[in-house]
Amino acid sequence: AQTVTQSQPEMSVQEAETVTLSCTYDTSESDYYLFWYKQPPSRQMILVIRQEAYKQQNATENRFSVNFQKAAKSFSLKISDSQLGDAAMYFCAYRSAGNAGNMLTFGGGTRLMVKP
Amino acid sequence: GAVVSQHPSWVICKSGTSVKIECRSLDFQATTMFWYRQFPKQSLMLMATSNEGSKATYEQGVEKDKFLINHASLTLSTLTVTSAHPEDSSFYICSARGLAGGRDEQFFGPGTRLTVL
Repeated sequence: AQTVTQSQPEMSVQEAETVTLSCTYDTSESDYYLFWYKQPPSRQMILVIRQEAYKQQNATENRFSVNFQKAAKSFSLKISDSQLGDAAMYFCAYRSAGNAGNMLTFGGGTRLMVKP
Repeated sequence: GAVVSQHPSWVICKSGTSVKIECRSLDFQATTMFWYRQFPKQSLMLMATSNEGSKATYEQGVEKDKFLINHASLTLSTLTVTSAHPEDSSFYICSARGLAGGRDEQFFGPGTRLTVL
């Protein structure tokens, strides 16, 4: 079974600064997807960024980028120019490729606080 | 973008009653729907996976007779908490997986807060 670990329960960043959230995972599969989700106080889960394991290029979405290290099974999220609205819980997630029934496996989450 | 709705957004009920939560994919057909439970300051815990027209697959430790899941169509799944007790109080989140905007993604509903008195 796959496991996802987020070793930082809480992180803090100054507004406009950069912060990196860590995520490691364990799998024996070669084809899979990795995700970062944001859960603000509203509790609505929002997809931040997605990475296909077969792609070597790191995914980027505006101020959000990942550092995907497949051999090390590491998938960190970098948030640049942090904004107050970035304050939320962030969850790293893994999903096997292929079958429609494959579910997401979530890490324990990292609470990000943004200081004005 | 793809939208998943949940109803109700919050519910308070007496111990022993049953509560039904609806999950709908509004602008796409969901091949699979997932039900999660989330306790305060914790991650999402998968309860069950359901495909339209077939029985749900429950995760280990989740009582299928307590948490009844019906996936009647490609756009609707329901979770019924039967004979609810205070320990069932939690935040329940549904998620629908399907093709939307050209991508195979999993989209989340806004969640339902259940409080059992």
